[in-house]
Amino acid sequence: EPEVTQTPSHQVTQMGQEVILRCVPISNHLYFYWYRQILGQKVEFLVSFYNNEISEKSEIFDDQFSVERPDGSNFTLKIRSTKLEDSAMYFCASSEGTAREKLFFGSGTQLSVL
Amino acid sequence: RKEVEQDPGPFNVPEGATVAFNCTYSNSASQSFFWYRQDCRKEPKLLMSVYSSGNEDGRFTAQLNRASQYISLLIRDSKLSDSATYLCVVNGKTGGGADGLTFGKGTHLIIQP
Repeated sequence: EPEVTQTPSHQVTQMGQEVILRCVPISNHLYFYWYRQILGQKVEFLVSFYNNEISEKSEIFDDQFSVERPDGSNFTLKIRSTKLEDSAMYFCASSEGTAREKLFFGSGTQLSVL
Repeated sequence: RKEVEQDPGPFNVPEGATVAFNCTYSNSASQSFFWYRQDCRKEPKLLMSVYSSGNEDGRFTAQLNRASQYISLLIRDSKLSDSATYLCVVNGKTGGGADGLTFGKGTHLIIQP
């Protein structure tokens, strides 16, 4: 089965540093997403991306966050100045259509901000 | 009221038993409903979509009651491999938006041999 791949699997950074989380969605999928899950908490929607632009974002996705599809295969999430509360598992996902269809999640990047 | 509410459990049931989970959601505009499964420290994986007429996939049966904004999942003949956290998921969120999925916190299931 095709899969969404994420790198790195773990990222440790100092507070205030910039991080870039990388994802390669499934090749024929059109919609891309970032979700996060703080340890012991629920999975939370951050942003959806379609046709090279953000289609929806949550209140969590503030000016410190940005997404980019720099080429035909990669989809990145950048956090400009990390805070302690950004520590979480970040999941990339993709789907052929909208969120009404099956989402395929990557295995996640565990971000630890010290 | 929480957007998607589930009993966190844990539910401890013996192998072979039938177990049922419930979930309520607050956004009456939600149009798509799902059960996802999440193993410890892993990504969520779609278990099944939930349709108004109810649907079955092997040992799993899902039901939706739009009037009560209530979703259920029934697992028959439970296996040790069914041990996981089951996430109730709906599309949309309070205030609108169709793309973002709203997850419940999950119900933790432990199947005991």
